[in-house]
Formats: sequence, C-alpha cells, structure tokens
Amino acid sequence: GAVVSQHPSWVICKSGTSVKIECRSLDFQATTMFWYRQFPKQSLMLMATSNEGSKATYEQGVEKDKFLINHASLTLSTLTVTSAHPEDSSFYICSARDRQGGTEAFFGQGTRLTVV
Amino acid sequence: KNQVEQSPQSLIILEGKNCTLQCNYTVSPFSNLRWYKQDTGRGPVSLTIMTFSENTKSNGRYTATLDADTKQSSLHITASQLSDSASYICVVSPTVNTGTASKLTFGTGTRLQVTL
Repeated sequence: GAVVSQHPSWVICKSGTSVKIECRSLDFQATTMFWYRQFPKQSLMLMATSNEGSKATYEQGVEKDKFLINHASLTLSTLTVTSAHPEDSSFYICSARDRQGGTEAFFGQGTRLTVV
Repeated sequence: KNQVEQSPQSLIILEGKNCTLQCNYTVSPFSNLRWYKQDTGRGPVSLTIMTFSENTKSNGRYTATLDADTKQSSLHITASQLSDSASYICVVSPTVNTGTASKLTFGTGTRLQVTL
C-alpha cells in the first residue's frame, strides 16, 4: 500500500520555540494532505486541509497563525507549530490522498510533540 | 451533526478468543466506511474499506460487516493475538469521492487489550 512518512516521530522543545513537522507521500502524489491532532484516549481531530500550491483550509477553532501549513509540492506538506506552549503538547498525525483519487487515506506514523 | 459512535469503549479478551466491535453512524450522505487499527503512539493503519453497496469485507483475521439501512458496522476479530492490542477506529466518509478532499468523520475508537 501507499506510504506516508512523518518526521520527526517525536520532538521535545522549549516553550516559545517553533517546531516543524514534515509529512511526505513516498510512492504517490498527493494534492491534498490532512493534519490531525490527537489527545490521549481521544479520536483524531482534523486541524486543517493542506492543498498543494494554495492556502490551507483550517477547521474552526484552529489558529492559522499558530499552526502554519505549507504544501509546496505534491509529496510534501509541513506543519509548523509557532511559539509552542505546553498546551500544544499532543500527537500530530498527517494523512494523504492519492492524486489519482480513490477512497483511501493513508496516514503517517504520527509525531509526539512535548513542549516543556 | 454527523456522528460515529463506537462500542464498547474498551475491551479485554484472552488470547485466542474472538471479539466483535460495533460502529453506529449517522453520517449522510454516506460514501464509504473504514476500519483502522491504531497502535499506541502510531498512526492509524487501514484494515478494511467498504462502500455503501458492500456488506462484508475480510482482511485476514479481520472481517468487517456493513448494514447501510441501519447504519451499523461491525469488526470481527478471529483468534485474537497479543499484537491485536490496539485502538480500532471506525471512520466514515460523508461524500462521494470525486478526487477532491472530503472530510472523514472519526469514531472515538475501541481500545482492545488481548491478554494471556
């Protein structure tokens, strides 16, 4: 099946710093990628939809200036958590849909962010 | 509001036993229903995906059923193994996929623990 790679798998950063998370589709092109956030024992919550070559669409309540999304190519989307605070500590997951369409969404392995 | 409800919330079974997880949804119009397995600290991995016209789909020891009339789905795990311990998430796609992004609706998951 298609592979989506997320990097890093985990990161610890100091409060006030910024952290960038990468999401790559390794063997297919993805015009659309999705960024999710997951708190312990809760379901995935969609943060934003990332469209290649255009601005991301953010879900209600998600600060676009805090969670910067860039989708510069068909195989890479990045999520930057700016001026991170402890409450931003969470599990961040991306998913990608094949450019050719289809009904599958392939998920990355997730990034555990801890802000201290 | 479109919702996906899963039961039970958690389940403990002995290795080798079978179990069935339930998913009820109110998402409409409905395109497809997916079951994912999510290990702790990892991204979801697809187990099965069914369109509204399919009643059952198997993937090894995993068998998913779908009743689009009653809006219910189940995931049956046969001869459970310790490695089956994970969260199982039911996900519904609310629109017909035309190659553009459609938001997935996630259930809260069932946490399965398989013990000796």
